[in-house]
Amino acid sequence: SQQGEEDPQALSIQEGENATMNCSYKTSINNLQWYRQNSGRGLVHLILIRSNEREKHSGRLRVTLDTSKKSSSLLITASRAADTASYFCATDVSGYSTLTFGKGTMLLVSP
Amino acid sequence: DVKVTQSSRYLVKRTGEKVFLECVQDMDHENMFWYRQDPGLGLRLIYFSYDVKMKEKGDIPEGYSVSREKKERFSLILESASTNQTSMYLCASRHPGRGFFGELFFGEGSRLTVL
Repeated sequence: SQQGEEDPQALSIQEGENATMNCSYKTSINNLQWYRQNSGRGLVHLILIRSNEREKHSGRLRVTLDTSKKSSSLLITASRAADTASYFCATDVSGYSTLTFGKGTMLLVSP
Repeated sequence: DVKVTQSSRYLVKRTGEKVFLECVQDMDHENMFWYRQDPGLGLRLIYFSYDVKMKEKGDIPEGYSVSREKKERFSLILESASTNQTSMYLCASRHPGRGFFGELFFGEGSRLTVL
């Protein structure tokens, strides 16, 4: 069953701009993860944020988590054409055996 | 460098054929997963395995079975392929423990077309 829902479904920006993607979920989580998928390829893990963390950075990525609103955001700063991909949030829900993925945000970064 | 390898990137099969999708990981991970990915539906879990010889149904197990005879290998089997099983199939693995669900490592995917 779908737990996380990304917003927007698609995002088109120019190189150098920032890209923000949001994820909302329904039930309490242990942690939330973001993955990236290049067209026709497998998913690659980007970052994990635990339920007791509010913000996390990794290179040009910044993830926030607001458990009161049941939402997370992924910010990619100074986007590059190579960032063009689909981005998925995935939630680790207590008592559930695996991650539950959203449907993804398709990001297009134009040169 | 950690690796999850799926045996075929692209397959074309006929309705009614038996199809095997193989996945091998070299990270000594206990847990392995099979997802399918369809446009507009995201990733849906088919089956997973906590360890050798163990298997658990995911959200959409109908029409599929799995085999985990060795720790590194997790096979997805379509007993009698149907056109509605045309999809991208993704294998993933993880090492359990540390009290939370850590990251999944994915293979490159197998795109199956059933005619």
